[in-house]
Amino acid sequence: DGGITQSPKYLFRKEGQNVTLSCEQNLNHDAMYWYRQDPGQGLRLIYYSQIVNDFQKGDIAEGYSVSREKKESFPLTVTSAQKNPTAFYLCASRGWDRSQETQYFGPGTRLLVL
Amino acid sequence: SQQGEEDPQALSIQEGENATMNCSYKTSINNLQWYRQNSGRGLVHLILIRSNEREKHSGRLRVTLDTSKKSSSLLITASRAADTASYFCATDFPETSGSRLTFGEGTQLTVNP
Repeated sequence: DGGITQSPKYLFRKEGQNVTLSCEQNLNHDAMYWYRQDPGQGLRLIYYSQIVNDFQKGDIAEGYSVSREKKESFPLTVTSAQKNPTAFYLCASRGWDRSQETQYFGPGTRLLVL
Repeated sequence: SQQGEEDPQALSIQEGENATMNCSYKTSINNLQWYRQNSGRGLVHLILIRSNEREKHSGRLRVTLDTSKKSSSLLITASRAADTASYFCATDFPETSGSRLTFGEGTQLTVNP
């Protein structure tokens, strides 16, 4: 899982509640990403940030928000507008490994709705 | 829609056998990457093959790329029980910014001891 940490490992959300997932990296990477993974499926891009104070919507941004105030941190808020938030959320950053630019993933946060 | 599609969706083999997984994509790419995911964990990068490369090796892994057919394959030789995981291909294509990757739905590999 490299130098990327995600917390908490499990998160429970009540109806109408906003929750924030943490993602921190100590790899000095500029670009960071948030993905959603549903059971038995691949990853879908929610938001990404190429540099501090800048971010772009991915393929499924509705109901989510992000901020990028520090290079090391890229928190994701799941808002009450996201009607089906139960999923596994993965954060990644982009860097170089053996002369190839790849993504490094955190261990993930599983979000469940009460 | 997903750029990459893996085939088969699930594969079960015996330890020592080879495992082959395939990935097809729809548009031109800069590169194609393979990742591994153990159950409930993050993804781990395995190998990257550029659009101008045809084959690449890393240990027991062999990746091929056929840009004319828009397909790639991942071969794991002499498989071990510890290779049990989901394997995803991800494509990086020129039309996107920020080196976005588009992931397929994965192949679930089970290696029986």
